[in-house]
Amino acid sequence: EAGVAQSPRYKIIEKRQSVAFWCNPISGHATLYWYQQILGQGPKLLIQFQNNGVVDDSQLPKDRFSAERLKGVDSTLKIQPAKLEDSAVYLCASSWRLAYEQYFGPGTRLTVT
Amino acid sequence: QQQVKQSPQSLIVQKGGISIINCAYENTAFDYFPWYQQFPGKGPALLIAIRPDVSEKKEGRFTISFNKSAKQFSLHIMDSQPGDSATYFCAARLGGNKLTFGGGTRVLVKP
Repeated sequence: EAGVAQSPRYKIIEKRQSVAFWCNPISGHATLYWYQQILGQGPKLLIQFQNNGVVDDSQLPKDRFSAERLKGVDSTLKIQPAKLEDSAVYLCASSWRLAYEQYFGPGTRLTVT
Repeated sequence: QQQVKQSPQSLIVQKGGISIINCAYENTAFDYFPWYQQFPGKGPALLIAIRPDVSEKKEGRFTISFNKSAKQFSLHIMDSQPGDSATYFCAARLGGNKLTFGGGTRVLVKP
C-alpha cells in the first residue's frame, strides 16, 4: 500500500512570495490533515478535511494560508504572502475515517528568507 | 496554549538501557493517547497508543504507563537499541481525531 505522498520535498522562497504544497493521501482515506512542524516542536494541526469538507480550521492563519481538497482526494496548502515565521516542515496526514490512525507523509521543508 | 507538556527534551541512553519519556496534560476531554516516532526527514509514525481506561499497555519493548488521576502518561523503551535513536512525540486526541502533540524528546542510544 502506497503511503501519503507530498511534493515538493524542499522549497526555499523569499518573504512575501507565494508557495503551494501538494498532498496525495492513501487511497480510500476520507480524512486528510495538514500540520505545521516548526523546528524543535511537535506538529500543530492547521486544517482537517473529511472528504472535501472542512472539519476544523481553527488554527489556520486564514489571512495568509488557504487549503482545498477538490474531489475529496488530493489537497493543496497555499501560503500567500509568506513570512519568515512560516519556515517549518508542512506535514500531510490521512486516516481511513475520523478516529482512525493517522498516517503521515514525509513533509515539505519550507525555508523563507 | 500548550496542552501537552513533554519531558525531557533530550536524553542519552546506553544500548540495553531503559529510556523514559513523560507527558502531562490538562484537558480531561482527551480520549486517546498515542506516541509517535520520527526519524530525520520522515513524518511521524504511530508507535503505540493507550486509552484512559487502561493503566498500562505493552508492545514488544515499548510500554505506556497511564495515570488518569495525575493526568500523566509515560513511554518506556526497554533494552534500547541504536535503531531506536529518533525523536518521540506524545499526543492526545479530542473528538474528531484532533491531535495535540507534545514538544518532542530526542533520544540517542549509544552503542
